Amino acid sequence: DVKVTQSSRYLVKRTGEKVFLECVQDMDHENMFWYRQDPGLGLRLIYFSYDVKMKEKGDIPEGYSVSREKKERFSLILESASTNQTSMYLCATFPESRNQPQHFGDGTRLSIL
Amino acid sequence: RKEVEQDPGPFNVPEGATVAFNCTYSNSASQSFFWYRQDCRKEPKLLMSVYSSGNEDGRFTAQLNRASQYISLLIRDSKLSDSATYLCVVNGAGGSYIPTFGRGTSLIVHP
Repeated sequence: DVKVTQSSRYLVKRTGEKVFLECVQDMDHENMFWYRQDPGLGLRLIYFSYDVKMKEKGDIPEGYSVSREKKERFSLILESASTNQTSMYLCATFPESRNQPQHFGDGTRLSIL
Repeated sequence: RKEVEQDPGPFNVPEGATVAFNCTYSNSASQSFFWYRQDCRKEPKLLMSVYSSGNEDGRFTAQLNRASQYISLLIRDSKLSDSATYLCVVNGAGGSYIPTFGRGTSLIVHP
C-alpha cells in the first residue's frame, strides 16, 4: 500500500511567519501534488511536481512555493503566512503511469492567527 | 463551463435505499476516471476506479458513458456509514494528465 505522510495533522501559526508543510511518500512515485480544500470550493491545486527539482504552478500558487530536492519528499512553503491561508492542506502522489488514482496523505489543518 | 461537474446535494436517503450520483466531464479525451469518498475533516480515499465496461464492488457500481461524457456511482442498500462526500475525479479533463476533481456530492443516510 502507498503510504503518504504529512508532517503535522494540526498546525497553528501567526501572520507573517514562514510555514513549512512536509510530505513524504514511500512508493517511488514521480508525481506529487499539493492541494488546499475549503468549504464549498473543493480541492484546489497549488503546485505539483513530476520529478526531482521540477515544479509546476497549479491553479492558486500565489503566496506559496514548493521544494522537491528528493523524489520522496515534496514541501509546501508559505513565505509569509496570512489569515486567508487558513485551510486544510492535502498532499497526493501518483506514479508515472498517469492513468492511476492519486493517493492522499492525512491532511494538515493549518490555522493562521 | 467547469471541466468536471457534480450535483453538490445533499442527497438525503433512508437506510436501505438505492442512490445514484452522476458526474459530467467536458474533455472527450479524458483518460481515466475514479470515485473517491471523503469523510468530514478527513482526506479523500479511493472508492473505486471506473472502467469502460462498468464495474462493481459489493454494493457499489460505477459506470462510464463516453458518448455522453459522464460517469455514475450507484449505491445499493445504503448504510448509515455510507454518509460522506463522494468526489468524482477525471485524469486528463483539463487537457493535461493532471487529475481534475469535482466539488463532491454529499450523501446523508438516515435511520
